[in-house]
Amino acid sequence: KNQVEQSPQSLIILEGKNCTLQCNYTVSPFSNLRWYKQDTGRGPVSLTIMTFSENTKSNGRYTATLDADTKQSSLHITASQLSDSASYICVVRSNAGNMLTFGGGTRLMVKP
Amino acid sequence: NAGVTQTPKFRVLKTGQSMTLLCAQDMNHEYMYWYRQDPGMGLRLIHYSVGEGTTAKGEVPDGYNVSRLKKQNFLLGLESAAPSQTSVYFCASSRPVNEQFFGPGTRLTVL
Repeated sequence: KNQVEQSPQSLIILEGKNCTLQCNYTVSPFSNLRWYKQDTGRGPVSLTIMTFSENTKSNGRYTATLDADTKQSSLHITASQLSDSASYICVVRSNAGNMLTFGGGTRLMVKP
Repeated sequence: NAGVTQTPKFRVLKTGQSMTLLCAQDMNHEYMYWYRQDPGMGLRLIHYSVGEGTTAKGEVPDGYNVSRLKKQNFLLGLESAAPSQTSVYFCASSRPVNEQFFGPGTRLTVL
């Protein structure tokens, strides 16, 4: 069964600090992996997409990495801001049936 | 562009009541989806549509029906609501094999 596991489930950091969120998946065959940001009371919004051949990709203060061999991805947030407080969801697309598998998300809280 | 919109934003039902959630998109996307999101769990696909007049079951379709009479609209119906259907419902749309754009969600409580 395709699964996406994220850790930690929740995280509290101080404004200005860095943090790294983890995503492990068992989806096969792999097509791509997206990180979404979901603000409270809103729908998820895509931050970045990683394909099989990509190891790292940045979007401003967000940097995603992908290790397709170990089936792991991480999302690193640099110099966190209060507006980074949200849930971050890892989503993996499979080539088979073109379906998405969603992780349970990491709830990040940035405190002043 | 409004993107993906959902109505209503909130709703409280009694067990056994019926209701319809409306999703609309103005991006001319072929694909549309309905998900539910429960605490601590990833979004789960209820039904989806790859084009006007076509629908298909997702991971958790039981207790729900859908219709896609127009390309821009995707309706989710609950014929006889149950407390287990208390959840936040998200609609999304996309081009084939492309990024999904999500609506703001509908918070449904079934008493």
